[in-house]
Amino acid sequence: GEQVEQLPSILRVQEGSSASINCTYENSASNYFPWYKQEPGENPKLIIDIRSNMERKQTQGLIVLLDKKAKRFSLHITDTQPGDSAMYFCAANGPNYNVLYFGSGTKLTVEP
Amino acid sequence: NSKVIQTPRYLVKGQGQKAKMRCIPEKGHPVVFWYQQNKNNEFKFLINFQNQEVLQQIDMTEKRFSAECPSNSPCSLEIQSSEAGDSALYLCASSLLGGDEQYFGPGTRLTVL
Repeated sequence: GEQVEQLPSILRVQEGSSASINCTYENSASNYFPWYKQEPGENPKLIIDIRSNMERKQTQGLIVLLDKKAKRFSLHITDTQPGDSAMYFCAANGPNYNVLYFGSGTKLTVEP
Repeated sequence: NSKVIQTPRYLVKGQGQKAKMRCIPEKGHPVVFWYQQNKNNEFKFLINFQNQEVLQQIDMTEKRFSAECPSNSPCSLEIQSSEAGDSALYLCASSLLGGDEQYFGPGTRLTVL
C-alpha cells in the first residue's frame, strides 16, 4: 500500500518549545520523504526533506529523522515561533514516477 | 520559492459544467504532477506527465478528466462534467527529470455549486 499515517492531527505548543510530528509509511521501496508547510489560503511549501540514504537532516531549526527499519520518519521544530503556526504535511514517494503520498496533516499552533 | 504558475486562482462552476485549469511548470522541469486537496486537507494524486506523455493516472482522472501537457503551451486539467465533490484545491507541481523535489504552484481553488 501507499498509505502514510501522520500524528498528531492537532498540536499546540508554547513559543520557544519544540514540536514533533510523526509519520509512518507502508511501502518499503519509498526512498524520499518531504515535509510541507501550508498556511491558510496558501499552497504547500517544501521546507525540508530526507532521502533513504540518511537517518538525520537538519536545517534552520528543523530536524528530520528517518528510521527505515520501522518505516517511520519525524519532523522536529526547535525553538518554535508564532510564525511556525500552520498545517504541516509529511509525504513519501510511491514506487512509480515519484508520486507523493501525503499524511493527513498536523495543525500546529504556537502560542505566545 | 516555487516558480510554478497556475491559472485561474479561483474557479466557480455549476454542476455538469466543464472546469479547466492551467499550469506552467518551472522552467527546465519536464515532469508535471496534478494533485487534488479536498476540504479535509486530504491529498489525492491525479495524473503526471513527462513532457507530453502521461506517466500515471488514477481511474477517476481517466474517466472524468481530460489532461494534457502540449509542447510550448501550458499544461491543462479539465473536468468534463463537474460534480459537487470536485470542489477542492487543485495543485500542480513540477520536478526535474529523475528528481525528487516537487514544488507546488499556488493552486486553483474550484467551487462547484
